[in-house]
This record gives sequence, structure tokens and C-alpha cells, in this order.
Amino acid sequence: DAGITQSPRYKITETGRQVTLMCHQTWSHSYMFWYRQDLGHGLRLIYYSAAADITDKGEVPDGYVVSRSKTENFPLTLESATRSQTSVYFCASSETVGGSYEQYFGPGTRLTVT
Amino acid sequence: AQKVTQAQTEISVVEKEDVTLDCVYETRDTTYYLFWYKQPPSGELVFLIRRNSFDEQNEISGRYSWNFQKSTSSFNFTITASQVVDSAVYFCALRESGYSTLTFGKGTMLLVSP
Repeated sequence: DAGITQSPRYKITETGRQVTLMCHQTWSHSYMFWYRQDLGHGLRLIYYSAAADITDKGEVPDGYVVSRSKTENFPLTLESATRSQTSVYFCASSETVGGSYEQYFGPGTRLTVT
Repeated sequence: AQKVTQAQTEISVVEKEDVTLDCVYETRDTTYYLFWYKQPPSGELVFLIRRNSFDEQNEISGRYSWNFQKSTSSFNFTITASQVVDSAVYFCALRESGYSTLTFGKGTMLLVSP
């Protein structure tokens, strides 16, 4: 099905481990985004990408790494997971045709760091 | 700097009541875009509407209506005859022209009781 998918949907990992969250979209949207959602903080932007090989930091980038070698994929890596990175992570994509920029979100990944 | 304020953290209503969710924004830009998203208990984020700063016409879609007032920097969302299925967290967001990212408010949790 067309759309935006995230994997895994649930992940439990230990402090210090490397974790990669995957995001895949089939719309060929130029822009892709990673957010984290925590109680009391709403949605906070981690990283975003305007196109393949173009990425930029958002509001809370520390401890995260992204790459975008293909337009449709935008993986997010926690290089050494910490408990403070326990959160729900959302990937989103958007297009700029017509200046719309509305973002369409994936189903989210619930990450627990023990 | 752009900012979105959703002062109502939580609203509880009984089914069939009308309810208005407030959104106040701050921007120095003359061209900008406003959005509303819905996050039901299942967790996904659903795009509801986009409004451009140069179009102040109110929008109605079924039981949903949006009131955009530049004079008060507000973009309020009204649900008429609320239903239990309207229970969700609703987010308002802002994008300034020249930027690809959205600034989200902290969200308003709406609980509709039968």
C-alpha cells in the first residue's frame, strides 16, 4: 500500500545500545522528518531532510544520527541509547508542490530504553 | 520567532455538545500556513486542514469548522454535535513561508463522554 511506514512499531533496548528506526514512504515526497513525542512536550523535531543527501537538525538532535541515501528512506539512529530517549517516534513526509507542505505521518515507533 | 499556543490542555464534554479548540499563533511573517492534526487514542497523527494566511475564509467540513482571524492571530477549531469518536488530542501547527518545518502547539486533549 502507498503511504508512510515505520519499523519496528515497538522496540525495547538497553542503555548504551545502538538502535535504528526505519521510515519508508512511497509518495516520492521531497521532505522527510523525524519527531519525538513526550508527555508535556508535544511533538519535537529531531531532524529533517529536504532531499536525498540533504539533512538538517531540528529542535532536539543530540544523540541522534540520520541519513538519506534514497528519497524514500529516512532512518534514524540512536548511537548509544539513553533512558531519556524513551519516547514515541514519528516519521513524516511532505511535498512542496503548490506550497502546501502539509506533513503526513507514519504510525509511530514506541521505543523503551531500559 | 514562530510560536503556537494551545492554552486548553484538556477539555471534557458530553456527546452532542459543541466544542471549540483554541489556537493562537505568533509570527512576523506575512505569508504563513496553519494546520490542524488529530491524534486519536490509537496514536496515529491525521492531517485535518491547512489554511493559508492570505485566505481568511472560514472552512466547514461536516461537523468540523475552522475560524481563522488574522486580527487576533487565531485559528480556532469547532466541532459541532461532538461524538465519542471525536475523542483525541488535537494539534495546531504553523509554517512560515521559506521554511519547510512546522511548529506545533502542545495539543489539546478532547474527551467526549457518551
